[in-house]
Amino acid sequence: DADVTQTPRNRITKTGKRIMLECSQTKGHDRMYWYRQDPGLGLRLIYYSFDVKDINKGEISDGYSVSRQAQAKFSLSLESAIPNQTALYFCATPPRNLGLSGANVLTFGAGSRLTVL
Amino acid sequence: GENVEQHPSTLSVQEGDSAVIKCTYSDSASNYFPWYKQELGKGPQLIIDIRSNVGEKKDQRIAVTLNKTAKHFSLHITETQPEDSAVYFCAASFTGNQFYFGTGTSLTVIP
Repeated sequence: DADVTQTPRNRITKTGKRIMLECSQTKGHDRMYWYRQDPGLGLRLIYYSFDVKDINKGEISDGYSVSRQAQAKFSLSLESAIPNQTALYFCATPPRNLGLSGANVLTFGAGSRLTVL
Repeated sequence: GENVEQHPSTLSVQEGDSAVIKCTYSDSASNYFPWYKQELGKGPQLIIDIRSNVGEKKDQRIAVTLNKTAKHFSLHITETQPEDSAVYFCAASFTGNQFYFGTGTSLTVIP
């Protein structure tokens, strides 16, 4: 089983619709992240969470919200989707602590491709 | 915040040749530099990483070098093979809480 599972893998929706992307992890890690990938822009951080009660904004949080329902689950919501939110979204969690100033290795899910028409 | 620049955006090499991808970072406090490989339809996967107290690290055909003074680090792939074709991302981190990624390099290895 994959460490990080994302659903749905693909979604097409219309402008103004509410969309939720879900992420679950099986390793019991505290930290979870949501990234957005666009061609030529790399991976940009949307939100991250260090535990159930801790939610932090990333570089591009406008237009998005998140919910950490449990240690294993971290959901990303688009309350009113717009076309420029068309992108590939990744959830990630660090399974291995390198022991250096909190540095952690990120393990990514397979991604959720969202198209907003 | 940190700014990571990555070059080139696309790279084509003949099978067996070497490939080099370069990244620069802006925050001298960054101390951890991972490289990720993303194959089509998959999420990025860590292939190698380096800490700021090390100048070079090698793992079989891949190596990473770090120049802290110049604030740049590079990925070197030798004896490239078709399965090396993918998108590669560099990243920089200070605390390990946030990772700043480069814009990616699409590598094509021509058989």
